[in-house]
Amino acid sequence: EVQLVESGGGLVQPGGSLRLSCAASGFTFSSYDMHWVRQATGKGLEWVSAIGTAGDTYYPGSVKGRFTISRENAKNSLYLQMNSLRAGDTAVYYCARARYYYDGFDYWGQGTLVTVSS
Amino acid sequence: SYVLTQPPSVSVAPGKTARITCGGNNIGSKSVHWYQQKPGQAPVLVIYYDSDRPSGIPERFSGSNSGNTATLTISRVEAGDEADYYCQVWDSSSDSWVFGGGTKLTVL
Repeated sequence: EVQLVESGGGLVQPGGSLRLSCAASGFTFSSYDMHWVRQATGKGLEWVSAIGTAGDTYYPGSVKGRFTISRENAKNSLYLQMNSLRAGDTAVYYCARARYYYDGFDYWGQGTLVTVSS
Repeated sequence: SYVLTQPPSVSVAPGKTARITCGGNNIGSKSVHWYQQKPGQAPVLVIYYDSDRPSGIPERFSGSNSGNTATLTISRVEAGDEADYYCQVWDSSSDSWVFGGGTKLTVL
């Protein structure tokens, strides 16, 4: 059974940092592109970052330079290092997988809540 | 950046057909994915590459894409289909995945 389990969320002050993790199981993690998607309370989905099987990374302008996605295939783990956090980064963060980069995201974790507030 | 426009809400009676649109400039030239999200749950992929269904998704769910509008069609709507639905495309001009604002489907 495919499972994606996020962790690492919590309360952080503006300007602070946080590292999210996503533990994958039930599939060959190294063969899949991985994504982070966030959702503010009562709002829509926003793509945050992606990493390909070769370690290539992608970000939208809203987080480029502040967030860093990485993966550790030996540990079946995906990470998101978030720096210079702002109130607008407050959201539930989901990790999701895609077999190939332009595919739909076919499995999602249950998410971890990040709250940026003083 | 590329903008996807969805109606905020769609209402339909049980057993009828619901159509949820996703508008974008020449969206017919892009591949569209659709997600269903129920309250408190993670999104679920229901349609990929405009009209393909993942395994486990009922045949009642179908998709089309042409011109400036992509459409998710849900036939013989059931109470369990009540959820938020999001469309998604890859925007090559900004190298970003883009989601529509979401549509809340209400089953009357």
